[in-house]
This record gives sequence, C-alpha cells and structure tokens, in this order.
Amino acid sequence: EPEVTQTPSHQVTQMGQEVILRCVPISNHLYFYWYRQILGQKVEFLVSFYNNEISEKSEIFDDQFSVERPDGSNFTLKIRSTKLEDSAMYFCASSEEAQGKYNEQFFGPGTRLTVL
Amino acid sequence: AQSVAQPEDQVNVAEGNPLTVKCTYSVSGNPYLFWYVQYPNRGLQFLLKYITGDNLVKGSYGFEAEFNKSQTSFHLKKPSALVSDSALYFCAVRDPLTGGFKTIFGAGTRLFVKA
Repeated sequence: EPEVTQTPSHQVTQMGQEVILRCVPISNHLYFYWYRQILGQKVEFLVSFYNNEISEKSEIFDDQFSVERPDGSNFTLKIRSTKLEDSAMYFCASSEEAQGKYNEQFFGPGTRLTVL
Repeated sequence: AQSVAQPEDQVNVAEGNPLTVKCTYSVSGNPYLFWYVQYPNRGLQFLLKYITGDNLVKGSYGFEAEFNKSQTSFHLKKPSALVSDSALYFCAVRDPLTGGFKTIFGAGTRLFVKA
C-alpha cells in the first residue's frame, strides 16, 4: 500500500540554524500539507500546497517557514533561524482530492525536530 | 472561527464493551468532519469522514460516527472494543467557507481498552 514517507525521523539542530524537512507524498496525490504537533499539544495546520503554490497557510506559517516541491516527488519544509519553540513533531500529509477538496489526508510518520 | 473540542482527555473501556469518543465542532458553514487515529510513533491514520448524506458514517476497523447538526457533534463509536483499539483519536474539521484546505484538529482523546 502506498504511503507518505518523511526524512529524517529525528533532527537535532542548534538555535538559529536552518533545517529542511523532507517528505515524499503518495505519487498520484495532488495536494500536500505540513502540520506540527508540539509535545502534548494538538496537531496544528501549517500550510497546504497545490499546483506548485501555497493554497492556504496558518498564522503560524510566517516568513520563517517556506515550502517547496523541488523535483516532482519531494515536498520540503524549510525552517530558517530555528527557535527553541520550533521543537515539535512535524507531519507531512497528502491527499488525492479527486472529489474536490475534502478527501481524507494520508500522513507520514513525522520528523521530530529538537532545537537546542 | 473554526474549532473542535474533544471533552475527554482519556476514555477507558473494557474489551467487548461499546465505546464512544466525543467530539463537538464549531464552523461557519456546513462542516466536513473526520476522525483519525494515531498509534505510538506513527502518523495519523484516517478512520472515517462525513461530507454530506447519511448522518451515520461507517469507517475502518468497525468504527462509525454520527453527525448531529443540532448538537454540532460527531461522536466516534464502536459496538465492541478491542484491546488493539487503544490509541490516540483525533477529531478534525474542514470548513469550505474558509477555503477548505485548512484542517483543524481536536486535542485528541486517548482510548484505553482493558482486556
């Protein structure tokens, strides 16, 4: 069964450094998403991406963050100048959206980001 | 503003007994509602959704949920719980009036099924 994959599973970085989290969505999916889950808190929407552009973003997704689909298979989240409060589990998701915008999303296993 | 509430942090049930995990929502338009489950060290897995049509929707692993518009609820149910159902359950909503891409998750309810 096809699945969303994410690398690395765990990323440790120093405060102020840049990190890139990588995701490979399911191959025939058209919509891509990033979420984060701070330990013990709820899953929070960051951004959605369709047709090579951001379709919607939350207030969390400020200029520190960017997304890219560099090569037609990978979907990346870049966090510039990381802060301690960026420490969280980051989930990538994709959806087929064949019936419109309301299909279920398929989630990757997550990347745990630890900022020291 | 959209919101989802899961009033119970934890639900305990004995194996074989029915289970209910509660969810209420607030959106400006007609909601699109989802339930996801998360097992340890795994991503979220889709269980079921309500978009339109019958208020009772059936999903994976014997789970079902009932959409109640007047009570703005979408409770998750299963007639007979299994120990393997023990996991973290998230209710989620998407509001088409705000673009529809943004999914709002509840805080999650941890389900413990005791043998």
